[in-house]
Amino acid sequence: AQKITQTQPGMFVQEKEAVTLDCTYDTSDPSYGLFWYKQPSSGEMIFLIYQGSYDQQNATEGRYSLNFQKARKSANLVISASQLGDSAMYFCAMRANRDDKIIFGKGTRLHILP
Amino acid sequence: NAGVMQNPRHLVRRRGQEARLRCSPMKGHSHVYWYRQLPEEGLKFMVYLQKENIIDESGMPKERFSAEFPKEGPSILRIQQVVRGDSAAYFCASSPPTGVANEQFFGPGTRLTVL
Repeated sequence: AQKITQTQPGMFVQEKEAVTLDCTYDTSDPSYGLFWYKQPSSGEMIFLIYQGSYDQQNATEGRYSLNFQKARKSANLVISASQLGDSAMYFCAMRANRDDKIIFGKGTRLHILP
Repeated sequence: NAGVMQNPRHLVRRRGQEARLRCSPMKGHSHVYWYRQLPEEGLKFMVYLQKENIIDESGMPKERFSAEFPKEGPSILRIQQVVRGDSAAYFCASSPPTGVANEQFFGPGTRLTVL
């Protein structure tokens, strides 16, 4: 069975600092994808970044990067130079490539302090 | 290019009533997924549909819940005889007919409140 674990229910970070949001996953599938989504207070789900299990390099999208450590089954999200607008709920998720459903973690609520 | 559309955005129902949630996928997308988010939880998969077919309904409750994606028109998630525990945000996502289903684009969600 697939599982996503996010151990940080909430985090407080000073503006302009870098943030690392933890995510570990469990799967027996050799081929899968990992995602991070942002959910602001308005409620929509905003796709941030994707990492394929066979990708050699860590994914990056602007200020977002995914620290992919396959042997540890870890897919932490790093946000550089945090901004007040980064305050939101962040979900780590995965999907086995043979499957159709995305499995989500319980999320981490990030608060950026001015 | 409009994204995934969901309506209504907010829906209030009394216990025992029916709730109908609509999802119009992105243009050119023929795969639709429904997810439910309970308060303070992550999203949980409910059902995956293609036009006129239910492909995977392993996450759907066995009773009161049904989904369809007709040849014409939006996908509908229907909840009969709603109970307070059905209060949640319901998200629809869509993906194109070819390529990896990694590319699931989410709608803004429908927030259902059962009084």
